[in-house]
Amino acid sequence: QKEVEQDPGPLSVPEGAIVSLNCTYSNSAFQYFMWYRQYSRKGPELLMYTYSSGNKEDGRFTAQVDKSSKYISLFIRDSQPSDSATYLCAMPTDSWGKLQFGAGTQVVVTP
Amino acid sequence: NAGVTQTPKFQVLKTGQSMTLQCAQDMNHEYMSWYRQDPGMGLRLIHYSVGAGITDQGEVPNGYNVSRSTTEDFPLRLLSAAPSQTSVYFCASSYAGGQPQHFGDGTRLSIL
Repeated sequence: QKEVEQDPGPLSVPEGAIVSLNCTYSNSAFQYFMWYRQYSRKGPELLMYTYSSGNKEDGRFTAQVDKSSKYISLFIRDSQPSDSATYLCAMPTDSWGKLQFGAGTQVVVTP
Repeated sequence: NAGVTQTPKFQVLKTGQSMTLQCAQDMNHEYMSWYRQDPGMGLRLIHYSVGAGITDQGEVPNGYNVSRSTTEDFPLRLLSAAPSQTSVYFCASSYAGGQPQHFGDGTRLSIL
């Protein structure tokens, strides 16, 4: 069983809809959580970085952490075609800070 | 400010050939890492370094070698290329382990 699970999609939504993405993890010791966005033929870029349970908002993006359920979510409000990308969750897994990534969810926002 | 620079962007090799993928960062980051990305597999860690002169293995190290002689550079060497090493390779850096990493734009490698 992978330490971090993420539905690969694809997830297709109309422009303006809310995109809901999630990851589950198996190790309750994980404390930091990241979301990356990756456009086609590009490297991943950091979107959100959270530590504690609860919500963190940045513009149209909201990251949510539920440590009791070992579940993290990313919401994109008022989605745009430019949000079409693959979204990856990641978390440090040991004292050396090695990151474990989910498989990534492909999102397609149609005009 | 270039960030993380990877060269080459594309490469085709024959089975058994060796080559070095270059990675350089200009952010004075101590922590650098190499990943491979395959369809449906996400990013898998090959090797990482916590500072000049210090490297360690990640999840999929076999067939790859690294060294870190300077803070800026972290090359990845394929010793004897195999078709299973066909992938997209990403280099990343951060100021410390566990912190958000900055990624290069990848090297797309095909091995025939």
